[in-house]
Amino acid sequence: EAQVTQNPRYLITVTGKKLTVTCSQNMNHEYMSWYRQDPGLGLRQIYYSMNVEVTDKGDVPEGYKVSRKEKRNFPLILESPSPNQTSLYFCASSSGTSGWDTQYFGPGTRLTVL
Amino acid sequence: GENVEQHPSTLSVQEGDSAVIKCTYSDSASNYFPWYKQELGKRPQLIIDIRSNVGEKKDQRIAVTLNKTAKHFSLHITETQPEDSAVYFCAASGFGNEKLTFGTGTRLTIIP
Repeated sequence: EAQVTQNPRYLITVTGKKLTVTCSQNMNHEYMSWYRQDPGLGLRQIYYSMNVEVTDKGDVPEGYKVSRKEKRNFPLILESPSPNQTSLYFCASSSGTSGWDTQYFGPGTRLTVL
Repeated sequence: GENVEQHPSTLSVQEGDSAVIKCTYSDSASNYFPWYKQELGKRPQLIIDIRSNVGEKKDQRIAVTLNKTAKHFSLHITETQPEDSAVYFCAASGFGNEKLTFGTGTRLTIIP
């Protein structure tokens, strides 16, 4: 089954404790992206990747890191989480190399930083 | 960068009536405009999209219109049904533009 998976689905952590949210897709998609969703603010793009070893900042990259060492995986790293990073995070992938193609979203990761 | 504004933030309509959600964008180079639907507790899913060489696109009860001169596009849902209740997001991107910028969402409630 073609899908985007994320882990963990729920995470409660404390300020400053490094964490990684994994994202994997089995559709051989070139483009992968991370979004955060906050009430009243919609979906905001954090980072995106057009291909292996190619990543770039979205609109809200501060406090996040990403890597794209393999085509299927695109982990989101929070080196020192803070309470303002409490949010619902979505990973997405698409077959093209731009924002011009249908984005397939993962199930979401709800992160709480205390 | 691109800025997408979406209105209204909430919308309630009687079952069977039509619903219209409007978005404006700032970057005149944008030419791809998708709409995503997010049901409660679920992930966003594409429902329809339009590219700038087309003024209108329809898919059964859903249609999207685009006015490039005014830089706005709209989602029209006719004969609304309870399963149309969800949050709807518009978005914009330019050809070759790696970013996709979303609006802030519209919570649509269909009243039985």
